[in-house]
Amino acid sequence: AQSVAQPEDQVNVAEGNPLTVKCTYSVSGNPYLFWYVQYPNRGLQFLLKYITGDNLVKGSYGFEAEFNKSQTSFHLKKPSALVSDSALYFCAVRDGYSGAGSYQLTFGKGTKLSVIP
Amino acid sequence: EPEVTQTPSHQVTQMGQEVILRCVPISNHLYFYWYRQILGQKVEFLVSFYNNEISEKSEIFDDQFSVERPDGSNFTLKIRSTKLEDSAMYFCASSGSQRSTDTQYFGPGTRLTVL
Repeated sequence: AQSVAQPEDQVNVAEGNPLTVKCTYSVSGNPYLFWYVQYPNRGLQFLLKYITGDNLVKGSYGFEAEFNKSQTSFHLKKPSALVSDSALYFCAVRDGYSGAGSYQLTFGKGTKLSVIP
Repeated sequence: EPEVTQTPSHQVTQMGQEVILRCVPISNHLYFYWYRQILGQKVEFLVSFYNNEISEKSEIFDDQFSVERPDGSNFTLKIRSTKLEDSAMYFCASSGSQRSTDTQYFGPGTRLTVL
């Protein structure tokens, strides 16, 4: 079974400071990892994904994430936070060895990011 | 940029009534999904759909649920007899190919309230 943990319900950061939103995962095969963001009254918007290759993945809006296999982590980062980054962030995983066509994503419970002006 | 759309944005129904939630996936996508999020809980997978049949479903997706692609653009989720515990945000998603690395793109969701 696959699972995702986002240990922080809320992260507060001052505008202009770097931000990190944490995610750890568990899968039996190769992890395919995703970050989504949800703004109020909007759906889940795709930010970035890690499938293979370089451990540092760059995505939309200046976000990046670092895959760490030994720590089974995929933390989301941004060098300089904006007030407009305030939203709910979800980490998700798929098992790359799901075999017979399993495409379901397993999500973490989400982390609310508040960027303070 | 193409988007997944969902209607209605909010649906209120009485317990025991049937509801149909509608989704228009991205036009050239082949795989379709429904997820739900009960207030304060995780987003949970319900079902995936490809080539006019269910390819995978979760334990949540029991006989009260069904999915259909009635035409070339719509993808629907029907709940036959709603229960109070069906109250949730329902998200539709689509992806372009059968590659397991493909990204699922989500719609804005339908908030279902069962009274």
